[in-house]
Amino acid sequence: RKEVEQDPGPFNVPEGATVAFNCTYSNSASQSFFWYRQDCRKEPKLLMSVYSSGNEDGRFTAQLNRASQYISLLIRDSKLSDSATYLCVPNQAGTALIFGKGTTLSVSS
Amino acid sequence: NAGVTQTPKFQVLKTGQSMTLQCAQDMNHNSMYWYRQDPGMGLRLIYYSASEGTTDKGEVPNGYNVSRLNKREFSLRLESAAPSQTSVYFCASTKGPLNTEAFFGQGTRLTVV
Repeated sequence: RKEVEQDPGPFNVPEGATVAFNCTYSNSASQSFFWYRQDCRKEPKLLMSVYSSGNEDGRFTAQLNRASQYISLLIRDSKLSDSATYLCVPNQAGTALIFGKGTTLSVSS
Repeated sequence: NAGVTQTPKFQVLKTGQSMTLQCAQDMNHNSMYWYRQDPGMGLRLIYYSASEGTTDKGEVPNGYNVSRLNKREFSLRLESAAPSQTSVYFCASTKGPLNTEAFFGQGTRLTVV
């Protein structure tokens, strides 16, 4: 099983839609979790950090399910500017950051 | 505050040539990384340095060498470039022991012909 697995998409949604991505991870010792956003031909930037069961920041909600070893990202009221690739990073202290391949979101008007 | 700075931003090499990609961070971070990103492959870790004076192999280290010159700088060297090394290379740094927010440089787009 790969260390981090994400549905590559693309997810094509209209403006205003709610969309959710899942990320499964194999290392049960992972303690912290991150979602990064990467725009086309740009560097990844941190979107959200998750250290417990979940985190919410405006239209974005991350939920962690340790029993099933997945973390989800929910985006409500999608905007055109949300179009990007979303990268999942589960991490265990003392190990290097291993990124998922990312899920591509395209929001259309 | 510059954050993470990579040079060069673009480079074209001929097969067999060598070059060094430079990376510097001004955030006093302990850990630094080199990734490559290819279409459909996501970010793959080449090498990382947990702290000054240490380096470790990542997922795809073959064909590369690294130097953690000091706390600020972490360079990636291609001794004999191959077309398979055509990619976008990202340097990143983290403050803590490999499990905190990563800050990335803007990337180096390398083409080997």
